[in-house]
Amino acid sequence: AQKITQTQPGMFVQEKEAVTLDCTYDTSDPSYGLFWYKQPSSGEMIFLIYQGSYDQQNATEGRYSLNFQKARKSANLVISASQLGDSAMYFCAMREGTSRGSTLGRLYFGRGTQLTVWP
Amino acid sequence: EAGVAQSPRYKIIEKRQSVAFWCNPISGHATLYWYQQILGQGPKLLIQFQNNGVVDDSQLPKDRFSAERLKGVDSTLKIQPAKLEDSAVYLCASSSTSGGTDTQYFGPGTRLTVL
Repeated sequence: AQKITQTQPGMFVQEKEAVTLDCTYDTSDPSYGLFWYKQPSSGEMIFLIYQGSYDQQNATEGRYSLNFQKARKSANLVISASQLGDSAMYFCAMREGTSRGSTLGRLYFGRGTQLTVWP
Repeated sequence: EAGVAQSPRYKIIEKRQSVAFWCNPISGHATLYWYQQILGQGPKLLIQFQNNGVVDDSQLPKDRFSAERLKGVDSTLKIQPAKLEDSAVYLCASSSTSGGTDTQYFGPGTRLTVL
C-alpha cells in the first residue's frame, strides 16, 4: 500500500488566491512526522513545513499552513496569497518512528502535485 | 550557512558504463541520505549514513550500486554498470541527526541520463 497519496496531479490557482494541496498517509506507527517540500524546475527539494503526529496544533510557516486531521490521516498544505514564484511541484512526505531512539530517517514521498499560479 | 553540494549537475553515459556522484552535506550534519527520483515520481531512499556507518541500505540495488562516506563527511554514490532504468535524478540530503524530527535538507541533485 502507498504510504503517501497525493491525488491531484496538477492544480491551478490565480495569483493572490489561496490553494489547498491534498495529502493522505498510511501508517500504523503512533509516532511519525509529516513534511512538505517544494521542487522548482531547477530540481532542488526545498523544505516548507513539518507536523509531528503528537503536535496538538496545526503547523504554520509564513504563508504555508498544514491542515492536520489525524483521524482522517490527512495532512493538506494550504498556501495563502499565492505568488507566481509558488509555481512548482509539491511533495508530501512522511517519516515513521520519530520517537527518541529511532535512527531510521527514511522519508516516504508521494508522487507530487504540480502547482501553477497564473496572473 | 552553505547548503548541500552535489556534483556533477548533469551526466550522460551509455548503458554498461560506470558513473559516480559526489555529495558534500551541510557542515556538522551527521546523517546523509541518497535518494533516487525517477521522472514523474517522488524520491525513493537508496541509502542512509550516520557519520560513516550505514543505517539503511535496504533499497539499494547492491549488485550495481555502491556508496561510501569516508571520514563521515563527503559521500560518493557509484553505479557500475549502468542500466537504462537508472536514468533519474539522484538527490543527496543531510540532517543534523537521524530519526526524531530533524529536517532533511536536499542538494540540487544530479540528473543522470543513460543511453
